[in-house]
Amino acid sequence: EADIYQTPRYLVIGTGKKITLECSQTMGHDKMYWYQQDPGMELHLIHYSYGVNSTEKGDLSSESTVSRIRTEHFPLTLESARPSHTSQYLCASRGTATSYEQYFGPGTRLTVT
Amino acid sequence: AQSVTQLGSHVSVSEGALVLLRCNYSSSVPPYLFWYVQYPNQGLQLLLKYTTGATLVKGINGFEAEFKKSETSFHLTKPSAHMSDAAEYFCAVTQAGGTSYGKLTFGQGTILTVHP
Repeated sequence: EADIYQTPRYLVIGTGKKITLECSQTMGHDKMYWYQQDPGMELHLIHYSYGVNSTEKGDLSSESTVSRIRTEHFPLTLESARPSHTSQYLCASRGTATSYEQYFGPGTRLTVT
Repeated sequence: AQSVTQLGSHVSVSEGALVLLRCNYSSSVPPYLFWYVQYPNQGLQLLLKYTTGATLVKGINGFEAEFKKSETSFHLTKPSAHMSDAAEYFCAVTQAGGTSYGKLTFGQGTILTVHP
């Protein structure tokens, strides 16, 4: 059973606020990912990291930023939230094994009013 | 480059009937293929995966999928649907090399409804 956690699960916040979505995993995985998912739509990769101090932008442009100071922690930050940021954000991780499957957290549903 | 197409955004079956969810992929190198399930307000759970070897793969909850290279397909099946199978299902592809190395590309998802 994968152990990957996201907090908060739900967040309603006003425009212009700074927010940080937390993601932690206890599996020692070196690779971590953030996806954005709008209702009824596919997942789009917005950030990924292959290890500590390594971060890259994904296929979908995002105004969010990420950091990877510790292996187990991969937070996502929005400096100034806007209604267009309303979405579900899913964090995932993968180990060094060659099977390539990713394990997902439960997600954070963000609503910006 | 890689992409996934799931045919049918909604599939409805009766309880006990066959479940068939279709997935076609495009990949410039040999793909690794996955099916994930997502229940409302939850993350994605891995159902099954194909990497190499046997083309018919079995997963959790009685699901299985067959990798058909000639058809570039990876359809998901279950012989007998259960009410608890109602969820959204995502097909995904990644590559062991190339520019998409290790990154998952997802299909649009198929919502499965199971009627009593």
